[in-house]
Amino acid sequence: DAGITQSPRHKVTETGTPVTLRCHQTENHRYMYWYRQDPGHGLRLIHYSYGVKDTDKGEVSDGYSVSRSKTEDFLLTLESATSSQTSVYFCAISESYAFSGANVLTFGAGSRLTVL
Amino acid sequence: GQQVMQIPQYQHVQEGEDFTTYCNSSTTLSNIQWYKQRPGGHPVFLIQLVKSGEVKKQKRLTFQFGEAKKNSSLHITATQTTDVGTYFCAGSEYGGSQGNLIFGKGTKLSVKP
Repeated sequence: DAGITQSPRHKVTETGTPVTLRCHQTENHRYMYWYRQDPGHGLRLIHYSYGVKDTDKGEVSDGYSVSRSKTEDFLLTLESATSSQTSVYFCAISESYAFSGANVLTFGAGSRLTVL
Repeated sequence: GQQVMQIPQYQHVQEGEDFTTYCNSSTTLSNIQWYKQRPGGHPVFLIQLVKSGEVKKQKRLTFQFGEAKKNSSLHITATQTTDVGTYFCAGSEYGGSQGNLIFGKGTKLSVKP
């Protein structure tokens, strides 16, 4: 597997507290993504980045912000966590495959967040 | 917006039986990808299909992309306990943004030895 690390792997927090999840890659891939996975909903894109300081919203971006100050790091922040944000969060990275028009994703191990 | 539907949601089979999961898109796709997620694990890329009517095989797994590029299937012949997990399809629209890979909700496969 590609070098992609998520931290923390598990976190329990209380409603209203800020939370930051970190994704670190050693592959120098251009694209980085944050997904959340919930039972019955599959994988849903929160935000993605196509370069340093270049980010865009995904399907479920409300309540989340991201930052990418270095190629290797992509941070996901919940400014004020809510119970509905209890989920498993996956970071993914990819290089563009120009011939296919779409990226193939390599996922991190996931971060399980519980908001009480 | 683009939707990718995947059926069935769950499938329970006896070891040695075949298994098929189907993926249908509301729009024409430029390509489709398949991922497998083992219990407690993370999704792992299996294959990408690009051409209309394309068929690819990986050992006991056969992947198909429909002629209209709106549907796809994954067929596993003679399932084994190592096939247990959730299989996701993910589709990408023509001309979409880089982040437009839409995942189906997955088919969870359990295999009884």
